[in-house]
Amino acid sequence: KNQVEQSPQSLIILEGKNCTLQCNYTVSPFSNLRWYKQDTGRGPVSLTIMTFSENTKSNGRYTATLDADTKQSSLHITASQLSDSASYICVVRMIYNQGGKLIFGQGTELSVKP
Amino acid sequence: DTAVSQTPKYLVTQMGNDKSIKCEQNLGHDTMYWYKQDSKKFLKIMFSYNNKELIINETVPNRFSPKSPDKAHLNLHINSLELGDSAVYFCASSQGAGPSYEQYFGPGTRLTVT
Repeated sequence: KNQVEQSPQSLIILEGKNCTLQCNYTVSPFSNLRWYKQDTGRGPVSLTIMTFSENTKSNGRYTATLDADTKQSSLHITASQLSDSASYICVVRMIYNQGGKLIFGQGTELSVKP
Repeated sequence: DTAVSQTPKYLVTQMGNDKSIKCEQNLGHDTMYWYKQDSKKFLKIMFSYNNKELIINETVPNRFSPKSPDKAHLNLHINSLELGDSAVYFCASSQGAGPSYEQYFGPGTRLTVT
């Protein structure tokens, strides 16, 4: 079954601290993996995208890693800010019908406290 | 200058009613999508249109009928609403249907069926 599982479900950290979010997937055939940020009441916004051959991708304070062998990805947030409070969703693109379809994880709810 | 817009943002209605949600994108994209986000926060694809043609139609009750009058619009009509239809519905668009194209999400429509 094509699934994306994320951990932890929720996380509270202090402003300025680092954190790492985890994603395991069983999606096949694999096309690419994205991390999205979803603010409360808003639609998801893409942070990074990685294909099979990419191990690391950075976007400012966000760094994503991908291990295609173990089917694991992580999102590391450095020097967290209050505005980082959001849900972070791991999304794997599955090759399917004219381009593919997205399989979403449940998300990790991150809360950054002052 | 909103990229992907949806109306209404909130919709409260009674069981058995018929309702529509509208989506418009001003990005010049060829592909549009409808997603459902359930109470557990999982986003699942419902439909995808490329150049006004249906390319993805997941296992969705036929009470749900998408309509794409032109490439910039993808509306979702729901007949005989049920309690289980309560969710947040997201519209999205991408330049094409291929795997490298990022999907841009609208703000969501929270549907509550009572």
